[in-house]
Amino acid sequence: DAEITQSPRHKITETGRQVTLACHQTWNHNNMFWYRQDLGHGLRLIHYSYGVQDTNKGEVSDGYSVSRSNTEDLPLTLESAASSQTSVYFCASMKGAGTEAFFGQGTRLTVV
Amino acid sequence: AQSVTQLGSHVSVSEGALVLLRCNYSSSVPPYLFWYVQYPNQGLQLLLKYTTGATLVKGINGFEAEFKKSETSFHLTKPSAHMSDAAEYFCAVSETGGGNKLTFGTGTQLKVEL
Repeated sequence: DAEITQSPRHKITETGRQVTLACHQTWNHNNMFWYRQDLGHGLRLIHYSYGVQDTNKGEVSDGYSVSRSNTEDLPLTLESAASSQTSVYFCASMKGAGTEAFFGQGTRLTVV
Repeated sequence: AQSVTQLGSHVSVSEGALVLLRCNYSSSVPPYLFWYVQYPNQGLQLLLKYTTGATLVKGINGFEAEFKKSETSFHLTKPSAHMSDAAEYFCAVSETGGGNKLTFGTGTQLKVEL
């Protein structure tokens, strides 16, 4: 069965370190997204990609970057981790507009 | 720009009672509308969606929602709550005019009591 997986599931890192969260999907979807989930804010869009070599900023993109070198993967990098980036991160993929988005299980990141 | 408002961050109902979770949206073009559910320590999964056609849509686990353009609403209902419905529910919108990204509301935590 097709799936979307995130790794690691849990991560503790220190302020100032670079961190990369992995997202891999086997749906062969062109559209991939990264969200962060925080209490009282729901899910907020960080970055998204509509295909290989395409990346776009979402509403909370400062301090984050992504790259899309193939269809399956959209890694999220925190350039210099800050305590404000402690959150649960979700990756999602979808086939197209109006279709179902499939979500990974999430990565809980703690920046100390 | 599009936005979603979910009224009530916490809703509590008795088992067997009606569930009503409210969602209003703002969009410059007719949107696609979604409800997702999140169980503890899991990702989100789709409950139902509205794209075109019939405005009353049925989803999984007995949930349904009605798109009301005049009220810019997409409220989620279930006639009879079950303990297993306890979860967080998110309303989301995406524009039909281009771009696939979803904009989410802040979520409603549903508690079901005996």
